[in-house]
Amino acid sequence: LAKTTQPISMDSYEGQEVNITCSHNNIATNDYITWYQQFPSQGPRFIIQGYKTKVTNEVASLFIPADRKSSTLSLPRVSLSDTAVYYCLVGERDDKIIFGKGTRLHILP
Amino acid sequence: DAGVTQSPTHLIKTRGQQVTLRCSPKSGHDTVSWYQQALGQGPQFIFQYYEEEERQRGNFPDRFSGHQFPNYSSELNVNALLLGDSALYLCASSYRQGRGDEKLFFGSGTQLSVL
Repeated sequence: LAKTTQPISMDSYEGQEVNITCSHNNIATNDYITWYQQFPSQGPRFIIQGYKTKVTNEVASLFIPADRKSSTLSLPRVSLSDTAVYYCLVGERDDKIIFGKGTRLHILP
Repeated sequence: DAGVTQSPTHLIKTRGQQVTLRCSPKSGHDTVSWYQQALGQGPQFIFQYYEEEERQRGNFPDRFSGHQFPNYSSELNVNALLLGDSALYLCASSYRQGRGDEKLFFGSGTQLSVL
């Protein structure tokens, strides 16, 4: 299992773009990178997944450099409702999916 | 299309008792994973069930056991409850494609309080 390292917490303001970077130096060839969002007293929710380069959906973008040793989740124009914990996960096929401590994102008005 | 459903939503038990939590996966999913989440911590992997067998297990004692039924639903059993077992228990379902791009869909969890 590739271990991931994320900032413990981040603050930003409404309307700003937020970038959360995750380090995964030991990522294996077959590993995908997946991000989840969790609000208090709820289960985590899938946000975005990628293998290389850039992936974009209606919620976020995921940037993965060529060496794949890190990835950056980008949230455009955040609002107060984006205050949550964000988890970066890396795992091989059929492997147990392990969550770290995540990044607590606090959006200020 | 119902998502992942868990029951009950809240439960209060006393030390030494036994508890059973239930999970129905999202339609089309065949794999169920269970997680324990203490306040302020990330979800901790308990075990995963696929084809009615435990496939993966985290660092949890044998007091934690589970079962998967032919309809893919699952139960988590915890025996001899300890105060430290108080947590949010999350069930996640997925479709096992074997490509490493598995996406988990979570239920809202069962909040267990052990007194």
